[in-house]
Amino acid sequence: NAGVTQTPKFQVLKTGQSMTLQCAQDMNHNSMYWYRQDPGMGLRLIYYSASEGTTDKGEVPNGYNVSRLNKREFSLRLESAAPSQTSVYFCASRGQARMNSNQPQHFGDGTRLSIL
Amino acid sequence: AQSVAQPEDQVNVAEGNPLTVKCTYSVSGNPYLFWYVQYPNRGLQFLLKYITGDNLVKGSYGFEAEFNKSQTSFHLKKPSALVSDSALYFCAVRRFYNTDKLIFGTGTRLQVFP
Repeated sequence: NAGVTQTPKFQVLKTGQSMTLQCAQDMNHNSMYWYRQDPGMGLRLIYYSASEGTTDKGEVPNGYNVSRLNKREFSLRLESAAPSQTSVYFCASRGQARMNSNQPQHFGDGTRLSIL
Repeated sequence: AQSVAQPEDQVNVAEGNPLTVKCTYSVSGNPYLFWYVQYPNRGLQFLLKYITGDNLVKGSYGFEAEFNKSQTSFHLKKPSALVSDSALYFCAVRRFYNTDKLIFGTGTRLQVFP
């Protein structure tokens, strides 16, 4: 009963390094999301994918890229990490991609990323 | 534009007392409203949602929330707080006919004292 699995759980990078955060869900959900959580700012949407093969920008996409590899997996890539990208990153998924669907999002336990 | 406000950074309550965590929203049209809870070093967990119907919504762990359209509020409540309820609580809103995107509030830390 894994739900949403994120790897790695922790990572320290140097400025300018690249990194891919992995996310996989086993609930056969269509929609997947990447958020970042910063103190006092709540969760902000970076990118999301309403279905396999589609991705869209959220509130704070600059400096990030995503890949919806298949229905299960949605990865987030930092091409050239900056200290401002130090954050906790959460992946989420949701069933029923119809616009008027009311299913909640299911979250992974996060990746804690520090960039020096 | 959609927005959610959680006016209190922290709420302190004694165990056994009722608790309220406040949330107000701004959205054009009918809203979908959600409450999530986050325990330390964990992801967000869904508590309850309002879509349509009764203004009082019951959720997990004895929590409930009251939707008030005239005040554009969706406050989270529990009649009797437990120490184990101590966590970070997030309110979120989505427009009725929109993409999948949720807008989250900044979170309220609930501290329940024995």
